[in-house]
Amino acid sequence: GENVEQHPSTLSVQEGDSAVIKCTYSDSASNYFPWYKQELGKRPQLIIDIRSNVGEKKDQRIAVTLNKTAKHFSLHITETQPEDSAVYFCAAPLIIQGAQKLVFGQGTRLTINP
Amino acid sequence: ETGVTQTPRHLVMGMTNKKSLKCEQHLGHNAMYWYKQSAKKPLELMFVYNFKEQTENNSVPSRFSPECPNSSHLFLHLHTLQPEDSALYLCASSQSGTSGGMSYNEQFFGPGTRLTVL
Repeated sequence: GENVEQHPSTLSVQEGDSAVIKCTYSDSASNYFPWYKQELGKRPQLIIDIRSNVGEKKDQRIAVTLNKTAKHFSLHITETQPEDSAVYFCAAPLIIQGAQKLVFGQGTRLTINP
Repeated sequence: ETGVTQTPRHLVMGMTNKKSLKCEQHLGHNAMYWYKQSAKKPLELMFVYNFKEQTENNSVPSRFSPECPNSSHLFLHLHTLQPEDSALYLCASSQSGTSGGMSYNEQFFGPGTRLTVL
């Protein structure tokens, strides 16, 4: 089965600096890697995802990179702002009887200091 | 209401009570999920339903009993819970590919039910 490890568990950066969160996965067949953001008291929401046919994807200040050989992927947030403070989860999928199962990392609590 | 809704939003129950959590999705999806979120294990998958059929039971104790009467509704029946079951219970839905397909799609989460077991 899939195993996802996420680091660091907490991250504190100054506003305007960059933040990087890393995840590793175990199943070499996995080919889709989403990142979810959960603000305090709110539900997790997808912020970006990447499929294995590309090595990098950007959406404004956020980007995700994928290294299939090393089986790791990372979330990069540039020019951080206070609203980026949240818990971020990476995930990797399994398909079971046609249904997706997402295996989530342990989460990273990101704090942006003004 | 749009998206994924859950009721109740907060629930306090004693260990001998029986209660049910309800989830409804208005997105036309064919897969639904229950997750448990606590400080110890941030997002722990409990059950998966695909086309109303349960495809995953992640070694969840029998005091949790899921029910999926149709592809839009999902219930979690609770009985004789323990204080360590106190957590945020999140429902999610997605559109799965057909059997054998490799279609990955976003999971949409509900707001969760904050459960406290006394």
